[in-house]
Amino acid sequence: KAGVTQTPRYLIKTRGQQVTLSCSPISGHRSVSWYQQTPGQGLQFLFEYFSETQRNKGNFPGRFSGRQFSNSRSEMNVSTLELGDSALYLCASSLDSQGTEAFFGQGTRLTVV
Amino acid sequence: EDQVTQSPEALRLQEGESSSLNCSYTVSGLRGLFWYRQDPGKGPEFLFTLYSAGEEKEKERLKATLTKKESFLHITAPKPEDSATYLCAVVTGNQFYFGTGTSLTVIP
Repeated sequence: KAGVTQTPRYLIKTRGQQVTLSCSPISGHRSVSWYQQTPGQGLQFLFEYFSETQRNKGNFPGRFSGRQFSNSRSEMNVSTLELGDSALYLCASSLDSQGTEAFFGQGTRLTVV
Repeated sequence: EDQVTQSPEALRLQEGESSSLNCSYTVSGLRGLFWYRQDPGKGPEFLFTLYSAGEEKEKERLKATLTKKESFLHITAPKPEDSATYLCAVVTGNQFYFGTGTSLTVIP
């Protein structure tokens, strides 16, 4: 059974640019959540998508957005990148809701220079 | 305000020296508590889910327990390969709240 796949694994961008990260959940899972992980703040919830609809959103600025496609694959977009956006971005998939086990991908390491 | 606190922040154990990690929480409407293990540069790996006070789960050298205010992850006779950061998370409503983790180092 394939796990959660995130692409790319590593990314270097310049301040002001925008970036799109991709997440393919476990087959059959309909919920995809995104997290930002930094050494100082730990794991912080960005948003959750379920059946192509954003169901929950964390306390991040509008520069952070996402979407989910009919095959449950999800993308996250960050516009006007800032140095502070450098982090490990993790995607997690769940069967249906966030009350069930979430399985994480390996993450995308984003460095903003 | 919903909050999850893990202690200690870091723990060094000799191989075979058993200990416990703590996750305390103050949330309304707990739907579940999760334990994850995270190795450097990798995503968290799911370990356990606990749903109600009194519940216990075991896997190899790990045992997780849950009360109304906290959860413990007991590590019995740890080995160097158990070295990792252990994260707990609670689900309330539809959101996960993660603690900042306990970094465990097991010395041979």
